[in-house]
Amino acid sequence: ETGVTQSPTHLIKTRGQQVTLRCSSQSGHNTVSWYQQALGQGPQFIFQYYREEENGRGNFPPRFSGLQFPNYSSELNVNALELDDSALYLCASSLRAGGRKETQYFGPGTRLLVL
Amino acid sequence: DAKTTQPPSMDCAEGRAANLPCNHSTISGNEYVYWYRQIHSQGPQYIIHGLKNNETNEMASLIITEDRKSSTLILPHATLRDTAVYYCIVRGTTSGTYKYIFGTGTRLKVLA
Repeated sequence: ETGVTQSPTHLIKTRGQQVTLRCSSQSGHNTVSWYQQALGQGPQFIFQYYREEENGRGNFPPRFSGLQFPNYSSELNVNALELDDSALYLCASSLRAGGRKETQYFGPGTRLLVL
Repeated sequence: DAKTTQPPSMDCAEGRAANLPCNHSTISGNEYVYWYRQIHSQGPQYIIHGLKNNETNEMASLIITEDRKSSTLILPHATLRDTAVYYCIVRGTTSGTYKYIFGTGTRLKVLA
Protein backbone atom coordinates (compact mmCIF):
# COMPACT_ATOMS: atom_id res chain seq x y z
CA GLU A 1 0.00 0.00 0.00
CA THR A 2 1.32 3.41 -0.99
CA GLY A 3 -0.99 5.59 1.08
CA VAL A 4 -2.36 7.21 -2.08
CA THR A 5 -6.12 6.85 -2.30
CA GLN A 6 -8.50 7.57 -5.16
CA SER A 7 -12.25 7.85 -5.41
CA PRO A 8 -14.46 6.57 -6.78
CA THR A 9 -13.05 3.19 -7.80
CA HIS A 10 -15.42 2.83 -10.75
CA LEU A 11 -17.63 5.27 -12.60
CA ILE A 12 -19.99 5.12 -15.57
CA LYS A 13 -20.90 8.29 -17.46
CA THR A 14 -22.50 9.12 -20.76
CA ARG A 15 -20.98 11.08 -23.60
CA GLY A 16 -21.08 14.84 -23.04
CA GLN A 17 -21.24 14.64 -19.26
CA GLN A 18 -18.66 15.95 -16.84
CA VAL A 19 -16.74 13.96 -14.24
CA THR A 20 -14.60 14.72 -11.18
CA LEU A 21 -12.07 12.24 -9.86
CA ARG A 22 -10.35 12.65 -6.50
CA CYS A 23 -6.95 11.77 -5.09
CA SER A 24 -5.45 11.95 -1.63
CA SER A 25 -1.68 12.13 -1.53
CA GLN A 26 0.61 10.03 0.59
CA SER A 27 1.39 11.76 3.88
CA GLY A 28 4.29 14.20 3.50
CA HIS A 29 4.01 14.46 -0.29
CA ASN A 30 3.46 17.82 -1.98
CA THR A 31 3.16 16.96 -5.67
CA VAL A 32 0.42 15.13 -7.55
CA SER A 33 0.54 13.79 -11.09
CA TRP A 34 -2.35 12.39 -13.11
CA TYR A 35 -2.14 9.73 -15.79
CA GLN A 36 -4.62 8.15 -18.20
CA GLN A 37 -4.23 4.48 -19.06
CA ALA A 38 -6.23 3.07 -21.94
CA LEU A 39 -6.73 -0.66 -22.14
CA GLY A 40 -3.53 -2.45 -23.15
CA GLN A 41 -1.43 0.71 -23.07
CA GLY A 42 1.02 2.25 -20.65
CA PRO A 43 -0.10 5.24 -18.57
CA GLN A 44 0.01 8.62 -20.35
CA PHE A 45 0.92 11.77 -18.42
CA ILE A 46 -1.95 14.28 -18.19
CA PHE A 47 -0.59 16.96 -15.86
CA GLN A 48 1.12 17.60 -12.56
CA TYR A 49 0.30 19.90 -9.64
CA TYR A 50 2.80 21.42 -7.24
CA ARG A 51 2.00 24.12 -4.71
CA GLU A 52 -1.58 24.23 -5.95
CA GLU A 53 -0.55 25.18 -9.48
CA GLU A 54 -0.33 23.19 -12.69
CA ASN A 55 3.32 22.40 -13.20
CA GLY A 56 3.44 20.69 -16.55
CA ARG A 57 0.99 19.14 -18.95
CA GLY A 58 0.98 16.29 -21.42
CA ASN A 59 -0.80 16.15 -24.75
CA PHE A 60 -4.36 16.47 -23.42
CA PRO A 61 -7.00 19.05 -24.40
CA PRO A 62 -8.16 21.86 -22.06
CA ARG A 63 -11.32 19.96 -21.16
CA PHE A 64 -9.00 18.01 -18.85
CA SER A 65 -8.39 20.26 -15.86
CA GLY A 66 -7.37 19.87 -12.27
CA LEU A 67 -6.96 21.34 -8.84
CA GLN A 68 -4.65 20.83 -5.93
CA PHE A 69 -5.77 21.82 -2.45
CA PRO A 70 -3.74 23.14 0.50
CA ASN A 71 -3.67 19.65 2.01
CA TYR A 72 -2.10 18.46 -1.30
CA SER A 73 -5.10 16.38 -2.32
CA SER A 74 -6.17 16.81 -5.92
CA GLU A 75 -9.05 16.59 -8.36
CA LEU A 76 -9.12 15.76 -12.05
CA ASN A 77 -12.06 17.19 -13.98
CA VAL A 78 -13.03 16.12 -17.46
CA ASN A 79 -15.70 18.06 -19.35
CA ALA A 80 -17.67 17.03 -22.42
CA LEU A 81 -16.80 13.36 -22.03
CA GLU A 82 -16.01 11.38 -25.16
CA LEU A 83 -16.07 7.64 -25.66
CA ASP A 84 -12.26 7.61 -25.91
CA ASP A 85 -12.02 9.00 -22.39
CA SER A 86 -12.88 5.52 -21.11
CA ALA A 87 -9.75 4.47 -19.25
CA LEU A 88 -8.08 3.89 -15.89
CA TYR A 89 -7.15 7.21 -14.34
CA LEU A 90 -4.15 7.08 -12.06
CA CYS A 91 -2.97 9.55 -9.51
CA ALA A 92 0.61 9.55 -8.25
CA SER A 93 2.06 11.57 -5.40
CA SER A 94 5.65 12.50 -4.73
CA LEU A 95 7.78 14.76 -2.59
CA ARG A 96 9.53 17.57 -4.39
CA ALA A 97 12.35 18.71 -2.14
CA GLY A 98 14.93 20.01 -4.57
CA GLY A 99 17.28 17.88 -6.59
CA ARG A 100 16.35 15.64 -9.46
CA LYS A 101 15.29 12.49 -7.64
CA GLU A 102 11.54 12.32 -7.14
CA THR A 103 9.83 8.95 -6.87
CA GLN A 104 6.14 8.81 -7.66
CA TYR A 105 3.81 6.49 -5.78
CA PHE A 106 0.59 5.52 -7.49
CA GLY A 107 -2.92 5.06 -6.21
CA PRO A 108 -5.19 2.19 -7.25
CA GLY A 109 -6.87 4.22 -9.97
CA THR A 110 -10.41 5.09 -11.00
CA ARG A 111 -11.88 3.16 -13.89
CA LEU A 112 -14.09 5.39 -16.01
CA LEU A 113 -16.46 4.04 -18.62
CA VAL A 114 -18.11 6.47 -21.01
CA LEU A 115 -21.19 5.19 -22.85
CA ASP B 1 12.36 13.06 -23.68
CA ALA B 2 14.28 9.84 -23.51
CA LYS B 3 12.36 6.77 -24.59
CA THR B 4 12.69 3.18 -23.53
CA THR B 5 12.40 -0.07 -25.46
CA GLN B 6 11.40 -3.34 -23.83
CA PRO B 7 10.48 -6.78 -25.15
CA PRO B 8 6.69 -7.16 -25.15
CA SER B 9 6.65 -10.42 -23.21
CA MET B 10 8.81 -12.91 -21.32
CA ASP B 11 8.30 -16.17 -19.46
CA CYS B 12 10.21 -17.30 -16.39
CA ALA B 13 10.07 -20.50 -14.37
CA GLU B 14 9.07 -20.12 -10.75
CA GLY B 15 12.11 -19.96 -8.47
CA ARG B 16 14.43 -18.89 -11.25
CA ALA B 17 15.84 -15.41 -11.77
CA ALA B 18 13.89 -13.16 -14.11
CA ASN B 19 16.05 -10.77 -16.11
CA LEU B 20 14.11 -7.98 -17.79
CA PRO B 21 16.08 -5.84 -20.26
CA CYS B 22 15.49 -2.23 -21.21
CA ASN B 23 17.14 -0.01 -23.80
CA HIS B 24 17.31 3.74 -23.22
CA SER B 25 19.95 4.86 -25.69
CA THR B 26 18.94 8.55 -25.63
CA ILE B 27 19.15 8.93 -21.87
CA SER B 28 20.73 12.13 -20.58
CA GLY B 29 23.52 12.16 -18.05
CA ASN B 30 21.37 13.20 -15.12
CA GLU B 31 18.22 11.19 -15.85
CA TYR B 32 17.26 8.38 -13.52
CA VAL B 33 16.02 4.97 -14.65
CA TYR B 34 12.92 3.83 -12.79
CA TRP B 35 11.19 0.45 -12.77
CA TYR B 36 7.56 -0.12 -11.87
CA ARG B 37 5.25 -3.08 -12.25
CA GLN B 38 1.51 -3.26 -12.68
CA ILE B 39 -0.51 -6.24 -11.63
CA HIS B 40 -3.91 -6.71 -13.20
CA SER B 41 -4.79 -3.02 -13.80
CA GLN B 42 -3.93 -1.96 -10.28
CA GLY B 43 -1.83 1.16 -9.86
CA PRO B 44 1.82 0.79 -10.87
CA GLN B 45 4.03 -0.34 -8.00
CA TYR B 46 7.46 1.21 -7.53
CA ILE B 47 10.28 -1.33 -7.63
CA ILE B 48 13.65 0.39 -7.85
CA HIS B 49 15.53 3.24 -9.50
CA GLY B 50 19.12 4.15 -10.28
CA LEU B 51 21.36 6.70 -11.94
CA LYS B 52 24.76 5.16 -12.66
CA ASN B 53 25.53 2.51 -10.09
CA ASN B 54 23.90 -0.85 -9.70
CA GLU B 55 21.19 -0.89 -7.06
CA THR B 56 19.59 -3.58 -4.92
CA ASN B 57 16.65 -3.58 -2.58
CA GLU B 58 14.37 -6.19 -1.04
CA MET B 59 12.43 -6.60 -4.28
CA ALA B 60 15.01 -6.56 -7.04
CA SER B 61 18.38 -5.59 -8.42
CA LEU B 62 19.01 -3.01 -11.12
CA ILE B 63 22.05 -3.31 -13.37
CA ILE B 64 22.88 -0.24 -15.48
CA THR B 65 25.52 -0.49 -18.20
CA GLU B 66 28.52 1.78 -17.99
CA ASP B 67 27.35 3.87 -20.97
CA ARG B 68 23.87 4.03 -19.35
CA LYS B 69 22.19 3.10 -22.62
CA SER B 70 20.57 0.00 -21.21
CA SER B 71 19.63 -1.63 -17.95
CA THR B 72 18.37 -4.94 -16.59
CA LEU B 73 15.93 -5.54 -13.78
CA ILE B 74 16.60 -8.78 -11.94
CA LEU B 75 14.03 -10.56 -9.80
CA PRO B 76 16.30 -13.11 -8.10
CA HIS B 77 13.73 -15.80 -7.30
CA ALA B 78 10.56 -15.22 -9.28
CA THR B 79 7.25 -16.31 -7.78
CA LEU B 80 3.80 -16.59 -9.34
CA ARG B 81 2.92 -13.28 -7.69
CA ASP B 82 5.59 -11.56 -9.79
CA THR B 83 3.46 -12.08 -12.91
CA ALA B 84 2.82 -8.52 -14.06
CA VAL B 85 3.62 -5.88 -16.66
CA TYR B 86 7.01 -4.32 -15.92
CA TYR B 87 7.73 -0.76 -17.03
CA CYS B 88 11.16 0.73 -17.47
CA ILE B 89 10.94 4.51 -17.34
CA VAL B 90 13.43 7.25 -17.94
CA ARG B 91 12.06 10.25 -16.19
CA GLY B 92 11.85 13.24 -18.46
CA THR B 93 12.01 16.83 -17.34
CA THR B 94 10.12 19.54 -19.18
CA SER B 95 10.21 23.03 -17.70
CA GLY B 96 10.84 21.65 -14.26
CA THR B 97 8.15 18.99 -14.41
CA TYR B 98 9.32 15.51 -13.53
CA LYS B 99 7.01 13.36 -15.60
CA TYR B 100 7.17 9.67 -16.31
CA ILE B 101 7.02 8.51 -19.92
CA PHE B 102 5.68 5.00 -19.98
CA GLY B 103 6.08 2.60 -22.88
CA THR B 104 4.03 -0.55 -23.28
CA GLY B 105 6.25 -2.52 -20.89
CA THR B 106 7.17 -6.21 -20.68
CA ARG B 107 4.50 -8.69 -19.73
CA LEU B 108 6.26 -11.19 -17.47
CA LYS B 109 4.59 -14.51 -16.91
CA VAL B 110 6.01 -16.69 -14.15
CA LEU B 111 5.28 -20.35 -14.80
CA ALA B 112 4.74 -22.99 -12.13
